[in-house]
Amino acid sequence: DIQMTQSPSTLSAYVGDSVTISCRASQTITTWLAWYQQKPGEAPKLLIYRASSLESGVPSRFSGSGSGTEFTLTITSLQPDDFATYYCQQSKSYPLTFGGGTKVEIK
Amino acid sequence: QLLESGGGLVQPGGSLRLSCTASGLTFYYYGLSWIRQAPGKGLEWVAVVSGDSDDTYYADSVKGRVTISRDNSKNTVFLQMSSVRVEDTAVYYCAKIRRMMLLSGAAFDLWGQGTVVTVGS
Repeated sequence: DIQMTQSPSTLSAYVGDSVTISCRASQTITTWLAWYQQKPGEAPKLLIYRASSLESGVPSRFSGSGSGTEFTLTITSLQPDDFATYYCQQSKSYPLTFGGGTKVEIK
Repeated sequence: QLLESGGGLVQPGGSLRLSCTASGLTFYYYGLSWIRQAPGKGLEWVAVVSGDSDDTYYADSVKGRVTISRDNSKNTVFLQMSSVRVEDTAVYYCAKIRRMMLLSGAAFDLWGQGTVVTVGS
């Protein structure tokens, strides 16, 4: 199985900051990576697919990059609505696996 | 949208069937998964079924204890759970694969609100 490791597990930032979340795969997944945002009590929401493709309706301040085993999610000009937990997920092979999550908190 | 049902309290070793009914999409075209989240924990993928039911995959943690199936005439996907364990306690989400007709490269662009399964006495 492919293991997904996210860092950091928690991130504190101010509104307006730019933040980066990392995700590492235990083996190459080319660009088969997705990013999700989850708020408390809600279902996850797809932000990015194929490592860097922005899902329809998602603000352009969200961007994804990377290939192989190293990936990043960047949020530029953090907004109050962006404080949430973010997960990466590999879709290279089954069983699908998620990273452990990164909680973005208000500083 | 996707609407899950069937969750509840079940004793260890018992059985439960979860349902997820879709509306507003061409159901047959899309693979569907169940993904769960234990209290205070991260997301765990559980199972997937292709649009035509020909292909299914399971997480090792549930293999042999759960069966995913679908009824395209009712726009519904099911998760039959048996021999449940305390560690199966979670919110269970139904989620649709973004790409039509394919299970590969699965990213999930539509999620239900979740149904809560609690395993205990």
